[in-house]
Amino acid sequence: DTEVTQTPKHLVMGMTNKKSLKCEQHMGHRAMYWYKQKAKKPPELMFVYSYEKLSINESVPSRFSPECPNSSLLNLHLHALQPEDSALYLCASSQGVAAQFSGANVLTFGAGSRLTVL
Amino acid sequence: QKEVEQNSGPLSVPEGAIASLNCTYSDRGSQSFFWYRQYSGKSPELIMFIYSNGDKEDGRFTAQLNKASQYVSLLIRDSQPSDSATYLCAVTGNQFYFGTGTSLTVIP
Repeated sequence: DTEVTQTPKHLVMGMTNKKSLKCEQHMGHRAMYWYKQKAKKPPELMFVYSYEKLSINESVPSRFSPECPNSSLLNLHLHALQPEDSALYLCASSQGVAAQFSGANVLTFGAGSRLTVL
Repeated sequence: QKEVEQNSGPLSVPEGAIASLNCTYSDRGSQSFFWYRQYSGKSPELIMFIYSNGDKEDGRFTAQLNKASQYVSLLIRDSQPSDSATYLCAVTGNQFYFGTGTSLTVIP
């Protein structure tokens, strides 16, 4: 299994809603990532989990709350979002973290969750 | 802040031609370099990675790395309309740093 699975594919929510994005991988990867991507822009790193511990938080607003229940799962909890948070949210995983690069530490992306905040 | 620069394009080439995509990076300590392809509305998919100076070939794709010049490129031979996409260069430091991407259009 060489896939990163993200659900839901599309999500529409109001500014007062609470929702979650889910990500799952079964490649034995020990690093998992959340990226946010706006149209015609590169992926923007939000969070990195390494060995199930949060290792990087790129100063993301607290209305985004990540969770890593185990080595295969990564969630992103959403609450009180703003319309400007509408974007494609990408989950990714890698064998190890970038700083431990070993020549094959490739970032594998899921298909993404398209979020629209009304 | 580590910087990864790419020409945003758009780059247009006729079908069958060679497309050349370029990327420069600021951190001399960067160890590995990746090229991702992203179709509109889809997620990035890995084309190839390179970590040693020189060329690396995979089918119609060749990645070239010159660490002294802090430069990595991707050549696409015999370009096809299906190659039309945005190509993202990524470089590792303590995380993966992405360039802004180059939009490529292959004209039939």
